[in-house]
Amino acid sequence: RKEVEQDPGPFNVPEGATVAFNCTYSNSASQSFFWYRQDCRKEPKLLMSVYSSGNEDGRFTAQLNRASQYISLLIRDSKLSDSATYLCVVHTGGFKTIFGAGTRLFVKA
Amino acid sequence: DTAVSQTPKYLVTQMGNDKSIKCEQNLGHDTMYWYKQDSKKFLKIMFSYNNKELIINETVPNRFSPKSPDKAHLNLHINSLELGDSAVYFCASSLGQVGNEAFFGQGTRLTVV
Repeated sequence: RKEVEQDPGPFNVPEGATVAFNCTYSNSASQSFFWYRQDCRKEPKLLMSVYSSGNEDGRFTAQLNRASQYISLLIRDSKLSDSATYLCVVHTGGFKTIFGAGTRLFVKA
Repeated sequence: DTAVSQTPKYLVTQMGNDKSIKCEQNLGHDTMYWYKQDSKKFLKIMFSYNNKELIINETVPNRFSPKSPDKAHLNLHINSLELGDSAVYFCASSLGQVGNEAFFGQGTRLTVV
């Protein structure tokens, strides 16, 4: 089993749609969780951290379920500019960071 | 002013050659990383340095040798390049360890022919 697994997609959604991505992780001792966004041929950039209590940033909501060992990202009212690959990132402790393979999102007009 | 800069952006070279990729960060971070993103877009950590000390060395062929002359620089030297080394290599930095945002360079697209 991979340490961090994501549905690779692609997810093809119309503008205005709500879309959700899940990510599972295998190490129950994992400490910190993030969602990064990577545009085509660009570097990954932090989208948001994921807190135990869940957190929201505008149209984006991230949640953590430690019992089931997954994190989720919900995007409401999708925009064309949301088209990108979304990377689930897990810190397992110390300096080790594991990136998921990414979920590709295409938002269509 | 670029926070994490790596050079070159593109590198095309023949099998068997030796090449280096340079990385510098001006964020005052103490931890730097090298990641490899292959054709399947999977981003995998190769090395991590904290205060110039190697702390993570994943299963990477010993043809790859990182060097950190100071906290702001982490270079990657690759000997005897192979076709399978073709990928995008990203340098990144962060402050401390767990829980802090990593900032990435623009990537170096390496093509071995």
